[in-house]
Amino acid sequence: DQQVKQNSPSLSVQEGRISILNCDYTNSMFDYFLWYKKYPAEGPTFLISISSIKDKNEDGRFTVFLNKSAKHLSLHIVPSQPGDSAVYFCAAFSGAGSYQLTFGKGTKLSVIP
Amino acid sequence: DAGITQSPRHKVTETGTPVTLRCHQTENHRYMYWYRQDPGHGLRLIHYSYGVKDTDKGEVSDGYSVSRSKTEDFLLTLESATSSQTSVYFCAISGQGSGAFFGQGTRLTVV
Repeated sequence: DQQVKQNSPSLSVQEGRISILNCDYTNSMFDYFLWYKKYPAEGPTFLISISSIKDKNEDGRFTVFLNKSAKHLSLHIVPSQPGDSAVYFCAAFSGAGSYQLTFGKGTKLSVIP
Repeated sequence: DAGITQSPRHKVTETGTPVTLRCHQTENHRYMYWYRQDPGHGLRLIHYSYGVKDTDKGEVSDGYSVSRSKTEDFLLTLESATSSQTSVYFCAISGQGSGAFFGQGTRLTVV
């Protein structure tokens, strides 16, 4: 049973437009959510995170929104750039546990010049 | 970059042979993890460690064992490699509550 779901395997966006990547979760014990970016042949790299006590966190072109009642979070990238083309993983963990991350299956973002 | 190194980076091995992958960190983080990445599955946790000699199973632990005799090293052993264990393996380290930093990965092929 998937606890973190990314229902869109892929997304294509024009350069300069907004990219919106979505993630849903089922485990109410999760209290910290992260987005990772992964290029081929490299390890995932941390992008941005949000605590469950917040509903928004912003870092430059990247903003993560959290809707706890809907158990949904989204990553907004504005404006999208060709270098943003990668696989994006949503992840979550419970601070009461061992901080082990549970990942979604990923969304492949392609930013078209 | 977080000081985390995986070795080897690539390995081809035969079915039935034991294989050990090594993860080395220089960050003195308490938590260390082994994940595998497969198409259509994302990253799945194999085993993790919360201290020297303290380990526990993750989601896909069957066929794998781990050891952590020093803070800086976390070893993943495939006791008898099978073709289903062909994958990319990632080690990660985590400070408390800070998310995880990943190594570059080990591509393992079992033939």
